[in-house]
Amino acid sequence: AQSVAQPEDQVNVAEGNPLTVKCTYSVSGNPYLFWYVQYPNRGLQFLLKYITGDNLVKGSYGFEAEFNKSQTSFHLKKPSALVSDSALYFCAVRDLVGGATNKLIFGTGTLLAVQP
Amino acid sequence: DTGVSQNPRHKITKRGQNVTFRCDPISEHNRLYWYRQTLGQGPEFLTYFQNEAQLEKSRLLSDRFSAERPKGSFSTLEIQRTEQGDSAMYLCASSLVWTGGPDTQYFGPGTRLTVL
Repeated sequence: AQSVAQPEDQVNVAEGNPLTVKCTYSVSGNPYLFWYVQYPNRGLQFLLKYITGDNLVKGSYGFEAEFNKSQTSFHLKKPSALVSDSALYFCAVRDLVGGATNKLIFGTGTLLAVQP
Repeated sequence: DTGVSQNPRHKITKRGQNVTFRCDPISEHNRLYWYRQTLGQGPEFLTYFQNEAQLEKSRLLSDRFSAERPKGSFSTLEIQRTEQGDSAMYLCASSLVWTGGPDTQYFGPGTRLTVL
């Protein structure tokens, strides 16, 4: 079965420092991977996705993610963190079971806290 | 471009009552998804529509849950005889299916249900 794991419940980083939020996946076949961000009492906002092609995917708000097939990882990165980046981040994989459904399977989320 | 909207944003009800939530997708999006998110977890898929057809329902969706998308535009999710375990955030997402890969789902702000 398809799944994603986010091994860190929380990541703390100082403003201006680079940040990494980790995600590993388990799929049969080619993975389609997504990152979303959720602010308090809000829905999820799409950041970026990997379908195929370049392993480095650029997304919204200066975020990027690196797809690594050998390590089955899709870590989210940003060169310089902002306090306003503090939020809950979810990694997701497209569920390939059941054909063309395209439903997403989400990780449990990582809370990013950026200190000023 | 207006995003996905959901109403109401909050609903408090007593156990045993029926509740109905509405989702208005992004205009011209042909797919609409419902997810449920409980505290500390990522969203879990409930059901989805392509146009007006409901194409898949999760095993999470008990017989007390029903969803409709009568004209292929807005959707409603009804929960009958609510239970305390139904307390969660109910998220709606919409997407435009295309042939080049998986669609990107855009989420609404959610409806937070509290069952007393």
